[in-house]
Amino acid sequence: EAGVAQSPRYKIIEKRQSVAFWCNPISGHATLYWYQQILGQGPKLLIQFQNNGVVDDSQLPKDRFSAERLKGVDSTLKIQPAKLEDSAVYLCASSRTVTESSSGNTIYFGEGSWLTVV
Amino acid sequence: RKEVEQDPGPFNVPEGATVAFNCTYSNSASQSFFWYRQDCRKEPKLLMSVYSSGNEDGRFTAQLNRASQYISLLIRDSKLSDSATYLCVVNPGRRALTFGSGTRLQVQP
Repeated sequence: EAGVAQSPRYKIIEKRQSVAFWCNPISGHATLYWYQQILGQGPKLLIQFQNNGVVDDSQLPKDRFSAERLKGVDSTLKIQPAKLEDSAVYLCASSRTVTESSSGNTIYFGEGSWLTVV
Repeated sequence: RKEVEQDPGPFNVPEGATVAFNCTYSNSASQSFFWYRQDCRKEPKLLMSVYSSGNEDGRFTAQLNRASQYISLLIRDSKLSDSATYLCVVNPGRRALTFGSGTRLQVQP
């Protein structure tokens, strides 16, 4: 079974530029998450989708971050304009359902997209 | 106060040692608890779930104290391959997992 796919793996941009990350979850997984992990910290949830609807985006900095999952499959996370403090790994994860993700053992992470803002 | 708090370490231990990590959480409504492992520059992966009765998986033992809102992980007979960051994770109801900042373990030969 193919895992969660993310691209690009690495990106370096200047502050005030824009960047987009793409995620393709495991086939059949209805729930998709974007987490931000700053060096030395744990992953922090940015947004959670159930199919093509947003379940939780309370920690998404909406003035500069946006995410969509229009067809309920793959998803894009965009940052515009980027700030230096956005340098982090952006982890996409998926699970079959929100309920199953509560059990922990069915949430799968991609390898992450590493962003450096200079 | 952070939702999940952990000692960042690092814990430097010799091979064969026993090491314990602790974690506290603030939301008393939290329903599910886990330990994840994250290797350097890799994604987090589930190590084990934590049950109220405590659970053991080989050299790893996890315990939960709901009254004190405290979770622990014990690793016996440490191996070099155990070197990683251990993330304490809680699920406060039907929401996404909330991660601690992690405790770094370095097992030395």
